[in-house]
Amino acid sequence: RKEVEQDPGPFNVPEGATVAFNCTYSNSASQSFFWYRQDCRKEPKLLMSVYSSGNEDGRFTAQLNRASQYISLLIRDSKLSDSATYLCVVNWGDYKLSFGAGTTVTVRA
Amino acid sequence: GAGVSQSPRYKVAKRGQDVALRCDPISGHVSLFWYQQALGQGPEFLTYFQNEAQLDKSGLPSDRFFAERPEGSVSTLKIQRTQQEDSAVYLCASSLPGLGSDTQYFGPGTRLTVL
Repeated sequence: RKEVEQDPGPFNVPEGATVAFNCTYSNSASQSFFWYRQDCRKEPKLLMSVYSSGNEDGRFTAQLNRASQYISLLIRDSKLSDSATYLCVVNWGDYKLSFGAGTTVTVRA
Repeated sequence: GAGVSQSPRYKVAKRGQDVALRCDPISGHVSLFWYQQALGQGPEFLTYFQNEAQLDKSGLPSDRFFAERPEGSVSTLKIQRTQQEDSAVYLCASSLPGLGSDTQYFGPGTRLTVL
C-alpha cells in the first residue's frame, strides 16, 4: 500500500466551477502536509502548506483531518490557469517528502 | 534570485551506458535532495545531502546509482550501466537546514530516456 494515495482524476470542470479532491495517508505519525502543483513537463512547486485548523490562500482552501488521515484541497472559481496536476505531500517529521501520484485537474473554457 | 538548475535537461542513453546528471542548488541552501519521477507517478525520494555529507541514500534503487556533493554545493547523480527501467525524470531539490517543514525548491529536472 502506498504511503500517500490520491484519486488520479482527471477532474474536468468548466471555468468558474468549484472542484475538490482528497488524499489519504497511511502513517498516523505524519507531521507536515503540503499541496504541490506540477504543470505538464515542469517541476513541482509548493502551492500551500496544510495546517490542522485548515487554511485558505485566495481561491484555494486546504483541510486536514488527522483522525481520518486525509487532506483535502478545494479550488473555487476555477481558472484556466488552474489546470495542472496537484500532488499531495506528507512529511513524517524528518527531511523526506512522500508524494502521492497526483490528481489531474483540467479547467475548460 | 536564481532557482535550482539542472543539466542536461534531456539525456538519451543506450542501455549499458553511464550517465551523470548535475544539480546546482539555490545558493546558501544546506540541504539537497534527489528524486526520481516515473511517468504518471509522484516523485520518489532517492538521496539526501546536508552540506557535503550524504546522510541518507536509502532510496537509491541499486548500487548502479551513486550521488556526490563534494564541496557542499553542486551535486552529481551518476547512473552506471543504465537500464530501460531507469528512464524517468530526475529531480533535484534544495532547502534551508532541511527540517521537514522547510520548503523544498525543485529544479526543472533531467528527463532520462534509456533505449
